[in-house]
Amino acid sequence: ILNVEQSPQSLHVQEGDSTNFTCSFPSSNFYALHWYRWETAKSPEALFVMTLNGDEKKKGRISATLNTKEGYSYLYIKGSQPEDSATYLCALVNTGTASKLTFGTGTRLQVTL
Amino acid sequence: NAGVTQTPKFQVLKTGQSMTLQCAQDMNHEYMSWYRQDPGMGLRLIHYSVGAGITDQGEVPNGYNVSRSTTEDFPLRLLSAAPSQTSVYFCASTLSGPPVYEQYFGPGTRLTVT
Repeated sequence: ILNVEQSPQSLHVQEGDSTNFTCSFPSSNFYALHWYRWETAKSPEALFVMTLNGDEKKKGRISATLNTKEGYSYLYIKGSQPEDSATYLCALVNTGTASKLTFGTGTRLQVTL
Repeated sequence: NAGVTQTPKFQVLKTGQSMTLQCAQDMNHEYMSWYRQDPGMGLRLIHYSVGAGITDQGEVPNGYNVSRSTTEDFPLRLLSAAPSQTSVYFCASTLSGPPVYEQYFGPGTRLTVT
């Protein structure tokens, strides 16, 4: 079983703050890393899929970077808004277990006014 | 497109009963999967399929069966429900496997086994 770890487990920020969180994974046999945004009572929605070391992706105020050699990815949110409140999940695809997505337990973000 | 649909949304079963959770997608995706979500555990893969007629086990397959007779449908069967299967179940699909494309999730089925 692959160990995909996310930190922190939860985070509480004020509106306008920028924040970031981490997804750590085994660096060997890397294939792809996914980020999902999961609002309460809804389904997870894809943010990014990243495959290349050094890759950086951006969607609005949210961006992500990937370091496959050291086994981590950062998700950044610039100028957090209350609507950013959600759980952010990362998930790993590994060549050793190709076709399977292994999820971390998520970082729960709460943004208050 | 309806995307990924799941039925039912809620279900209560007694221990030992069997039932099928339905999942369908209209995006012509080859890869489909079932996850369960439990507090503090994140999403765990139950079974997946890389195409019609092909299924394989995920991380927590015991107590569940799947089949994939068509590209569109991927039902999950609980053979003899147990309280440990109380969970929220999500079906997901993606263009093809290995899943290097974004996954689309259904709305979930909340199952309680008493």
